[in-house]
Amino acid sequence: KAGVTQTPRYLIKTRGQQVTLSCSPISGHRSVSWYQQTPGQGLQFLFEYFSETQRNKGNFPGRFSGRQFSNSRSEMNVSTLELGDSALYLCASSLDSPGDEQYFGPGTRLTVT
Amino acid sequence: AQSVSQHNHHVILSEAASLELGCNYSYGGTVNLFWYVQYPGQHLQLLLKYFSGDPLVKGIKGFEAEFIKSKFSFNLRKPSVQWSDTAEYFCAVHTGGFKTIFGAGTRLFVKA
Repeated sequence: KAGVTQTPRYLIKTRGQQVTLSCSPISGHRSVSWYQQTPGQGLQFLFEYFSETQRNKGNFPGRFSGRQFSNSRSEMNVSTLELGDSALYLCASSLDSPGDEQYFGPGTRLTVT
Repeated sequence: AQSVSQHNHHVILSEAASLELGCNYSYGGTVNLFWYVQYPGQHLQLLLKYFSGDPLVKGIKGFEAEFIKSKFSFNLRKPSVQWSDTAEYFCAVHTGGFKTIFGAGTRLFVKA
């Protein structure tokens, strides 16, 4: 079956702009988690969604938000972009919980100039 | 706060050398433990996992890990590395609460 897909793959934005990233999980997976990956920091947890509900959120400012649709597809939004938001944003899907095995997408590389 | 520590950020080995990557976590309750690997240019993928039972778990490509509850550790091992094992390795811990915490990663470079 198809893996986790993320769009767009690359994005260049200017400080102050906003951006929306999209994630389509593996068919049948209902849990979607988002992570920010930067060199030396590993993966920092952003939030997790299940059945259109956010069940947990990481320690990121309110500029980072997300949502999940009834088909389990998820989007994350970052408003008022800062240079420090430049990173690889990864989406991972799992059957019911991030405690299950997670399947990762290729990520969206965001560069803020 | 719950955290995951990976002791080595960069490791360089020659082919056929043995590998051990350390991982410690801070949480006293029940955990699910994972090692994920990211080969150059590829997605993160699961290497192995521990949920319960035998604390010595085997994964793909000859990797294994041992869960030592008393030490809050889940170290990754491989008896003989190959050039193709060059990758970044992440330890991850799920403590409940719909959140998995990842370590900072260890970059392994294997010299041919």
